[in-house]
Amino acid sequence: SAVISQKPSRDICQRGTSLTIQCQVDSQVTMMFWYRQQPGQSLTLIATANQGSEATYESGFVIDKFPISRPNLTFSTLTVSNMSPEDSSIYLCSAEDLAGGLTDTQYFGPGTRLTVL
Amino acid sequence: GQQLNQSPQSMFIQEGEDVSMNCTSSSIFNTWLWYKQDPGEGPVLLIALYKAGELTSNGRLTAQFGITRKDSFLNISASIPSDVGIYFCAGPEDRDDKIIFGKGTRLHILP
Repeated sequence: SAVISQKPSRDICQRGTSLTIQCQVDSQVTMMFWYRQQPGQSLTLIATANQGSEATYESGFVIDKFPISRPNLTFSTLTVSNMSPEDSSIYLCSAEDLAGGLTDTQYFGPGTRLTVL
Repeated sequence: GQQLNQSPQSMFIQEGEDVSMNCTSSSIFNTWLWYKQDPGEGPVLLIALYKAGELTSNGRLTAQFGITRKDSFLNISASIPSDVGIYFCAGPEDRDDKIIFGKGTRLHILP
């Protein structure tokens, strides 16, 4: 299984600012994803981070609000732009290694807990 | 799109009791995943099921892939305090590899 780390682990931000969250995997993985988990809720997929091309966003999420980078097979960033209190959530990075023999199995980072004042 | 329905929504049990929770869908899944999320942490994969009828154990945890491919069960035997958390079932949507999650079962252990 992949070991995934995220930075920062938590942050408190002012309305209107932006925060970039980093996700690092300890091995090369095929797929990386970004999820949002609002308080007391389940996980909602924001986008699939594609290596070398633009991310694929889910309905309700747009690139201008959540720009994503994936420069290589072990690293991705998610930016939460022009934040409002409604963006207060846990943001989770996950990875899936299609070459690892366990397809459709995702591993998660510890999450970034964001509070917007 | 596909949806996963988990029940119960929450459970309050005594330490030492066995726990049973399930996940159902109106459509077929080819893979069932069970995750546990501790407070302030990301979900951790507990068990992955890939074949209808499959029964898989991981310590005190046992999960089964329903024969109809529309449900899965997770059982925990002899619960201990560290079992507290949220248990999510998940699986890939049939149209692509994206994984969807149930709303979770919150397990509480009474002192």
